[in-house]
Amino acid sequence: DSGVTQTPKHLITATGQRVTLRCSPRSGDLSVYWYQQSLDQGLQFLIQYYNGEERAKGNILERFSAQQFPDLHSELNLSSLELGDSALYFCASSVSTGWSSYNEQFFGPGTRLTVL
Amino acid sequence: AQTVTQSQPEMSVQEAETVTLSCTYDTSENNYYLFWYKQPPSRQMILVIRQEAYKQQNATENRFSVNFQKAAKSFSLKISDSQLGDTAMYFCAFMKHDGDKIIFGKGTRLHILP
Repeated sequence: DSGVTQTPKHLITATGQRVTLRCSPRSGDLSVYWYQQSLDQGLQFLIQYYNGEERAKGNILERFSAQQFPDLHSELNLSSLELGDSALYFCASSVSTGWSSYNEQFFGPGTRLTVL
Repeated sequence: AQTVTQSQPEMSVQEAETVTLSCTYDTSENNYYLFWYKQPPSRQMILVIRQEAYKQQNATENRFSVNFQKAAKSFSLKISDSQLGDTAMYFCAFMKHDGDKIIFGKGTRLHILP
């Protein structure tokens, strides 16, 4: 158990819908990262938040957005869902940003999203 | 941009044998980290081993060791005395020293046969 929690574990929805994935980082961790694992694209970085602010952006679609709340939990919002958005979405957390020293990213168990 | 390449999509070895998973990467950075992650059927991402690019000594963690060749941009993982529980997808990964995101390879699916 990494200490990172993600809800829900599974999500099944239809095309065109909107969903929200939730992540609670390890106690004391200020950074949250979102990754998508799909058959087509493999594992890819989507976005990072540090202490409530967006710090880095990867291959995140405009239909996707995220935020980190004052209690440090994060939500990933996926809208206008397409079949290709079906994937395993991981959240990871680390103590800091990694800019000054190594900060291990601890991965949550993931949310399996299926778009029908 | 950094890329990570794993040329072996799938491998099978007998229990107790030694297996080596290959990985190459491309970067213009001088300081960075390399990782091997394990993803068992449970889907959990588990960090197996980490190598810091400025360290010449190859990292080891019990039965897991790496062969880090910085000039060749090669980073292979050796699993000694393989066990059934080593069956998993293994991802080679890269992160800049001042990094944020981890860049993953496509993975190697490893089967340990009884």
